[in-house]
Amino acid sequence: AQSVSQHNHHVILSEAASLELGCNYSYGGTVNLFWYVQYPGQHLQLLLKYFSGDPLVKGIKGFEAEFIKSKFSFNLRKPSVQWSDTAEYFCAVIPRRDDKIIFGKGTRLHILP
Amino acid sequence: GAVVSQHPSWVICKSGTSVKIECRSLDFQATTMFWYRQFPKQSLMLMATSNEGSKATYEQGVEKDKFLINHASLTLSTLTVTSAHPEDSSFYICSASGTPSYEQYFGPGTRLTVT
Repeated sequence: AQSVSQHNHHVILSEAASLELGCNYSYGGTVNLFWYVQYPGQHLQLLLKYFSGDPLVKGIKGFEAEFIKSKFSFNLRKPSVQWSDTAEYFCAVIPRRDDKIIFGKGTRLHILP
Repeated sequence: GAVVSQHPSWVICKSGTSVKIECRSLDFQATTMFWYRQFPKQSLMLMATSNEGSKATYEQGVEKDKFLINHASLTLSTLTVTSAHPEDSSFYICSASGTPSYEQYFGPGTRLTVT
């Protein structure tokens, strides 16, 4: 079955630390890739997405992600996190042949001030 | 970005009653709407996919007679939890997509508590 794996369930960092959240998917065909963020008490918001082209994608709030096809990965990065980045982050995949979006289990990020 | 609203944002109901949750796309026409359920500390689980004017497609394990979905217009989909039980208590989230359908816009969710 198709799946999305997020390796870290809970990450705690200090402000200004660098962030990398891992995401791997199991679908072998062409995919569209997403990272969503859910701030406390708010709804899911799109951080960035990859459909095609440059595998290094830049999103909002200084986040970026790199699609490495050979590794089936789409890791999220930010060079210097802020306290306001405290949230839950979800990686998601839509196989091109399907409309269904498949979510990872999420990574809860806690930034210490 | 596109805006999707849900109503109500939270609801408490008694066991055995039915609850209707609305999902609206406010500034675009949603050809497809999705309903998810989110358990605490877990990911979103897709319950069903609905296309305007068609019957919803339910995921395996989701009871279609219990979770009634209607997508009567391009801006509105409803989820009715029939004969609710405490185990139905959860956070229900809808999303909507237009054409092309690869990007989904999420509603703020509805927290259902069944007592």
